[in-house]
Amino acid sequence: GAGVSQSPRYKVAKRGQDVALRCDPISGHVSLFWYQQALGQGPEFLTYFQNEAQLDKSGLPSDRFFAERPEGSVSTLKIQRTQQEDSAVYLCASSSKTGRADQPQHFGDGTRLSIL
Amino acid sequence: AQSVTQLGSHVSVSEGALVLLRCNYSSSVPPYLFWYVQYPNQGLQLLLKYTSAATLVKGINGFEAEFKKSETSFHLTKPSAHMSDAAEYFCAVTRFGNEKLTFGTGTRLTIIP
Repeated sequence: GAGVSQSPRYKVAKRGQDVALRCDPISGHVSLFWYQQALGQGPEFLTYFQNEAQLDKSGLPSDRFFAERPEGSVSTLKIQRTQQEDSAVYLCASSSKTGRADQPQHFGDGTRLSIL
Repeated sequence: AQSVTQLGSHVSVSEGALVLLRCNYSSSVPPYLFWYVQYPNQGLQLLLKYTSAATLVKGINGFEAEFKKSETSFHLTKPSAHMSDAAEYFCAVTRFGNEKLTFGTGTRLTIIP
């Protein structure tokens, strides 16, 4: 597709359930990012892939959060044993064919996760 | 470490008036700076970027921003506000060798008819 695609757009889960969020980046983009955006806040970095390698996962809030990009394209963010504080919009972004910081990141529309 | 501060969480301007959204950055090395816009229930759309070329950067929808190293600022302006400019605006910073974006807390722009 032309842009970054995320699914589902909305996810409601009960506390304690596991969830999986999918990101399909722009074709050929080397870098892929996950951000978490709490209500009324700016996005906060979670993790970063260059191709299939996870180069930075310093923003993952706990070991309940796990991300993968096994073939260097589609990525999945998994949250185990969800808690209410996990409720947020999860944004995926991809950039560049060369993996450079001066290249803009292109964002998907996000997945809004609500934990009951 | 790098950070951005956006002064004013809410800004209201009349239609046709000047838009000024403020962003100050902190970075120990030369920064790359970005402005993004977010409409309700959508992702972020790039307005413009500064990557150490011209200090006055022109973006989409008539927006522009000026990088001022002496003031560590990268304020966003538009000469004449339009109703369609109502949205949330985020300033973000990164640097060479570190692709992750650090965002400000955002400024919600309201346009008064």
